[in-house]
Amino acid sequence: QQQVKQSPQSLIVQKGGISIINCAYENTAFDYFPWYQQFPGKGPALLIAIRPDVSEKKEGRFTISFNKSAKQFSLHIMDSQPGDSATYFCAAKGPNFGNEKLTFGTGTRLTIIP
Amino acid sequence: DTAVSQTPKYLVTQMGNDKSIKCEQNLGHDTMYWYKQDSKKFLKIMFSYNNKELIINETVPNRFSPKSPDKAHLNLHINSLELGDSAVYFCASSRRGGDQPQHFGDGTRLSIL
Repeated sequence: QQQVKQSPQSLIVQKGGISIINCAYENTAFDYFPWYQQFPGKGPALLIAIRPDVSEKKEGRFTISFNKSAKQFSLHIMDSQPGDSATYFCAAKGPNFGNEKLTFGTGTRLTIIP
Repeated sequence: DTAVSQTPKYLVTQMGNDKSIKCEQNLGHDTMYWYKQDSKKFLKIMFSYNNKELIINETVPNRFSPKSPDKAHLNLHINSLELGDSAVYFCASSRRGGDQPQHFGDGTRLSIL
C-alpha cells in the first residue's frame, strides 16, 4: 500500500521556469511533511519541510503548499536552475513520539534544461 | 568531517554469500536507520534504532540483521544474499522526536552476481 503518492515521475523544465511536484497522502495521522533532494551517487538531503497547521512555507526559491482538507502538498521551485536537476522525494511522518518512520513518495526526476 | 559515513561504498558479491555494511555518525544523534533504495529509486525504511534499542522493524527477511554496538554505530549484516537484495542501502541518523531531520549517508551499492 503506497501511503504517499507522488507525481510526476519525471519532469523537464526550462531554466528560469517553475517546477511543480505534487504529493498526496492517505493517513491523516501524518503530521510532518519533508521534501528531500537527492543527487546521483549521494544520499537524500532535507530541502524543506512543513507541518499541516501551515498552508505554505517558503525558503528561498523553494515553497511548499499544503492543503490539509485535500490531503495534498506540493513543492514549487521558482526560477529553476540547472543545479536543481536531481530526484526529489516527498515524505510523511507519524505523530507519535519515537515513531520516526518516514514514508517516502516514489520520487520525481527533475531535469532543468538551458 | 563526514556526518554519516558508510562503508563500503560499493559491494559486489556472489549469491549465497554473507556480507556486512557499516555505518557511523558523528552528529551526536541518538536514532539511526537503514533504508533500501531499489532500482526504481523507491526508498523504504528497514530498521531504526534508538540508543541501541530496535524501535522500527519493517517486514524485512530475517536474513537481514542490524546491530548497534553504540548509539553512533549501526551495522547491517546480510546472510545468504539473493539477487533481489541488489540495491542501494542508506544509513541515516536523527535526534529523536518532533520534526528532527534525518541525515543520510551516501549509500552502499550492493550488487549480487
